[in-house]
Amino acid sequence: EAQVTQNPRYLITVTGKKLTVTCSQNMNHEYMSWYRQDPGLGLRQIYYSMNVEVTDKGDVPEGYKVSRKEKRNFPLILESPSPNQTSLYFCASSLGRGIGQDTQYFGPGTRLTVL
Amino acid sequence: AQSVTQLDSHVSVSEGTPVLLRCNYSSSYSPSLFWYVQHPNKGLQLLLKYTSAATLVKGINGFEAEFKKSETSFHLTKPSAHMSDAAEYFCVVTPRVGRRALTFGSGTRLQVQP
Repeated sequence: EAQVTQNPRYLITVTGKKLTVTCSQNMNHEYMSWYRQDPGLGLRQIYYSMNVEVTDKGDVPEGYKVSRKEKRNFPLILESPSPNQTSLYFCASSLGRGIGQDTQYFGPGTRLTVL
Repeated sequence: AQSVTQLDSHVSVSEGTPVLLRCNYSSSYSPSLFWYVQHPNKGLQLLLKYTSAATLVKGINGFEAEFKKSETSFHLTKPSAHMSDAAEYFCVVTPRVGRRALTFGSGTRLQVQP
């Protein structure tokens, strides 16, 4: 089944404790991205990647890192989480960015709480 | 630069009546436009998208949207609301060229009353 998976689905952690949220897609998509969803703000893009080893900042990249060493995986790293990073996080992928390729497929979400 | 404005944060309709969710956008480039739906505690699902073919786009579950360049709008409509349509809806804009981010609207929560 074609899908985007995220782990963990729920995470409660403490300020400053490094964490990684994994994202994997099995559709051979080139484009992957991370979003955070906060009430009243919709989804805001954190980082995106056009292909392996190619990443770019989105609208809210501060406090986050990403890597794209393999096409299928795009982990989100919080080196020193803070309470303002408490949010619902979504990973998404698409074939590319051209016409007909840019439909985003979303993972199920990761609800992160930083105490 | 690009932006999306969803003009209503909440819309409430009665079952069987029409739905209108409004979206205005701005983009420096010819955009692709999307509507996504998010049901409670679920991920996002694509409803429909516009990519410069027909200006009236039909999507899943009876939804459609019309791209109006002169008004920079991409409003979502459905002739008759169903209880299962209750969800949050997001309008999304992305330029079709370049390495630019996608931009989501802040969302419209649709309530459907029996």
